[in-house]
Amino acid sequence: QQQVKQSPQSLIVQKGGISIINCAYENTAFDYFPWYQQFPGKGPALLIAIRPDVSEKKEGRFTISFNKSAKQFSLHIMDSQPGDSATYFCAASPHGGSEKLVFGKGTKLTVNP
Amino acid sequence: IAGITQAPTSQILAAGRRMTLRCTQDMRHNAMYWYRQDLGLGLRLIHYSNTAGTTGKGEVPDGYSVSRANTDDFPLTLASAVPSQTSVYFCASSEGRNTGELFFGEGSRLTVL
Repeated sequence: QQQVKQSPQSLIVQKGGISIINCAYENTAFDYFPWYQQFPGKGPALLIAIRPDVSEKKEGRFTISFNKSAKQFSLHIMDSQPGDSATYFCAASPHGGSEKLVFGKGTKLTVNP
Repeated sequence: IAGITQAPTSQILAAGRRMTLRCTQDMRHNAMYWYRQDLGLGLRLIHYSNTAGTTGKGEVPDGYSVSRANTDDFPLTLASAVPSQTSVYFCASSEGRNTGELFFGEGSRLTVL
C-alpha cells in the first residue's frame, strides 16, 4: 500500500533551470512532510520539511509548496546546479509517529552543466 | 564525527547463512530504525526501536530480527538469508518519535547468492 506517490521517477534539467518534484498523499492524519536528499553511496539526509499550517517554506534555492486541500506537496529547486544531482525522497508521517514515516519511491535528478 | 556507523559496508553472503548488520550511534538518540532500499521501491521500514529495551515491527519485518540492549546499538539479524534480502540496508536514528528528522548511516550493501 503506497501512501505517498512521488513523480516523476527521473528528471533531467539544465543548469540554471527549475526542478520540480511532486508528491501526493492519502492519509489526512499526516502532519509532517520532509524531503530527503541522497547522493550515490550515501545515506539520505534531511533537506527541508514542512507542516500543514503553512503553504510554503523556503530555504535557499529549495522550496516546499503544500496544498492541504489537494493533499499534494512539491519540491522546487531554483537555479538547479550539477551538485544538486541526487535522488530525492518525499515522505510523510502523522504526529507522534516517526516510525510511521512513509517514503515516496524517489526521484533521480540529473542537472546537466 | 558524530553520527551513525554501520558495518559492514558491503557483504556477499550465501543463502541460508546467518548475518548481523551492526549499527552504532553516538548522538544519544532514543529512537532507531532499520530500512531497506530497493530500486524503484524507495525506503521501507523493517524494524524500529523507540527506546532502549523496546522494539517494533515495520512494513517488511519478515526474516529479520533486532535487539536494543542499550541506547547506542541496534543490530539487525538475518537468521537465514534468502536472495530476496539482497538490498542496501540503512540504519537511522532520531531524538524521539515526535521530532521528525531521521539521521541515516551510509548503508550496508548486502548480496545474498
